Amino acid sequence: DAGVTQSPTHLIKTRGQHVTLRCSPISGHKSVSWYQQVLGQGPQFIFQYYEKEERGRGNFPDRFSARQFPNYSSELNVNALLLGDSALYLCASSAGTSGTSEQFFGPGTRLTVL
Amino acid sequence: GEDVEQSLFLSVREGDSSVINCTYTDSSSTYLYWYKQEPGAGLQLLTYIFSNMDMKQDQRLTVLLNKKDKHLSLRIADTQTGDSAIYFCAESIGGYQKVTFGTGTKLQVIP
Repeated sequence: DAGVTQSPTHLIKTRGQHVTLRCSPISGHKSVSWYQQVLGQGPQFIFQYYEKEERGRGNFPDRFSARQFPNYSSELNVNALLLGDSALYLCASSAGTSGTSEQFFGPGTRLTVL
Repeated sequence: GEDVEQSLFLSVREGDSSVINCTYTDSSSTYLYWYKQEPGAGLQLLTYIFSNMDMKQDQRLTVLLNKKDKHLSLRIADTQTGDSAIYFCAESIGGYQKVTFGTGTKLQVIP
């Protein structure tokens, strides 16, 4: 069975550009969460989506947006990229939204902003 | 506010026990987690504990929670070289999945 998949694996952009990251959850999982992990730090929560609705949002500027599609896959969009947006972006899927519903993480997309 | 702190580095000899410590500040934390991250791999949930528990044991892993001091620890018995990784303590509030992670503790196991 496939785990959580993310694309692309690596991405290089320049300041001011826009980026779209994609995530496919484990089959049957309806919840997708996005995290940003800056080098040397722990992941920071960005968004959670469940059944195509936003269920949670972290302390990130409006340049960050996301959506979830009917097949439960998700996209994370970042506009007007800054150097500080360089990070590993992790997607996690789970069956539900409770704290005991285990989140399974994908391998991440490494974004470099020059 | 939410803030989770961990020591940055721990080195142990193979076969010894490892204890990784974590402090958190939000007393309303509902679930506390331990994740493992290996180079080039995603995060793996090792175990979690509900905030009304004091201890949880799962094979080589023992989690201790001191809610009064907001202190969480992970003990790994008989540490192996395959346990070398970064370990993250994390908390969620209200039973939801907005998870706050600590800075991570890099565990080095010396053969």
